[in-house]
Amino acid sequence: DVVLTQTPVSLSVTLGDQASISCRSSQSLEYSDGYTYLEWYLQKPGQSPQLLIYGVSNRFSGVPDRFIGSGSGTDFTLKISRVEPEDLGVYYCFQATHDPLTFGSGTKLEIK
Amino acid sequence: EVQLVESGGGLVQPGRSMKLSCAASGFTFNNYDMAWVCQAPKKGLEWVATISYDGSSTYYRDSVKGRFTISRDNAKSTLYLQMDSLRSEDTATYYCARHRGVGCFDYWGQGVMVTVSS
Repeated sequence: DVVLTQTPVSLSVTLGDQASISCRSSQSLEYSDGYTYLEWYLQKPGQSPQLLIYGVSNRFSGVPDRFIGSGSGTDFTLKISRVEPEDLGVYYCFQATHDPLTFGSGTKLEIK
Repeated sequence: EVQLVESGGGLVQPGRSMKLSCAASGFTFNNYDMAWVCQAPKKGLEWVATISYDGSSTYYRDSVKGRFTISRDNAKSTLYLQMDSLRSEDTATYYCARHRGVGCFDYWGQGVMVTVSS
């Protein structure tokens, strides 16, 4: 199975600062069709996960442009500029290039 | 507005069965692949199973193959997960989710808790 390693495990950020989360894959996530099926989700406390980013860098509908996804191959990053209170929660990367589909273990974002 | 509403969870003994349902509304259900994703207490997310838009193809993670069956009734806009031979390690919140093309899940239900315990 593809293992997605997220770092850091937890992150404490001052409001207005930038946060950066890394997701490293045990295999390349570029599919044979040239697409990279790497997504990012946020699970706010007590809520269901919500899609933030799909296809490495595409923001889902309604997601603020403060959320920026980047990367290729096996290394991916989610940057959150100007962190706001509603950004707290656990962030998961996810891959759908290889079977079985797998999530990273999560990064907990806390506000200082 | 897209809505996914799960039901059918609860407490069940090891070795017994349980069937989850997910009622969909606000979109054309038979145009989308659907999935179940679970989350054990205080743990991360784990994909469980996916079914194609027409029900012709199903996919499972290894740990549930042969025990769980994903199905759908497009006339009722409902997704199901039949869980047999349940084990304590199946204890989790189960989310119904809509696939946005290949892979990603663009809408999620609120989740339903399944507790496997004697």
